[in-house]
Amino acid sequence: GAGVSQSPSNKVTEKGKDVELRCDPISGHTALYWYRQRLGQGLEFLIYFQGNSAPDKSGLPSDRFSAERTGESVSTLTIQRTQQEDSAVYLCASSYSDQPQHFGDGTRLSIL
Amino acid sequence: AQKITQTQPGMFVQEKEAVTLDCTYDTSDPSYGLFWYKQPSSGEMIFLIYQGSYDQQNATEGRYSLNFQKARKSANLVISASQLGDSAMYFCAMRERSPTGKLIFGQGTTLQVKP
Repeated sequence: GAGVSQSPSNKVTEKGKDVELRCDPISGHTALYWYRQRLGQGLEFLIYFQGNSAPDKSGLPSDRFSAERTGESVSTLTIQRTQQEDSAVYLCASSYSDQPQHFGDGTRLSIL
Repeated sequence: AQKITQTQPGMFVQEKEAVTLDCTYDTSDPSYGLFWYKQPSSGEMIFLIYQGSYDQQNATEGRYSLNFQKARKSANLVISASQLGDSAMYFCAMRERSPTGKLIFGQGTTLQVKP
């Protein structure tokens, strides 16, 4: 498909475990964003990539959160030592220049 | 600080009627963009419509139109001829003129279309 692809779609893990979420943006989209959506809430910005550099990490909630991107391709968001408050849907979006962001279907993360 | 406010947590509308979803924003930047996204129960975020701060005319996309009142800092979404498939969560978002292009989202409005 030509859309933004995220995996896994659902992830259930125990508190204290590390998780890795993957985002495959639309081909040619240089900008990539990660957002978090808590139940019944709006989206919160986490991090922005332009190519493989991350000029804005201001939304990452703590040093347990990190992300990387390979070139203008796949990005992974890693959460270490997960806590129950990390439970949320993590959404990835990509865009080209000033065009609207296109979102993936998200990863629903549940921490037991 | 940038802020988006959606004051209607939930709305009902009768099928085939029009409905207006409210959005107000706060920014000190003269150049910005306003977006509306639809999020059905399946969870994906679907882009609906965009309005630039310097656009002279209100944006329209099919049954969607944006009632942009710059002086009042409001950007309400109007959906005409509502359909059952319009039942979803709707988010207003703002992008400031910044290098990142990140979006600031409101809390959303849940719309239910009644048959």
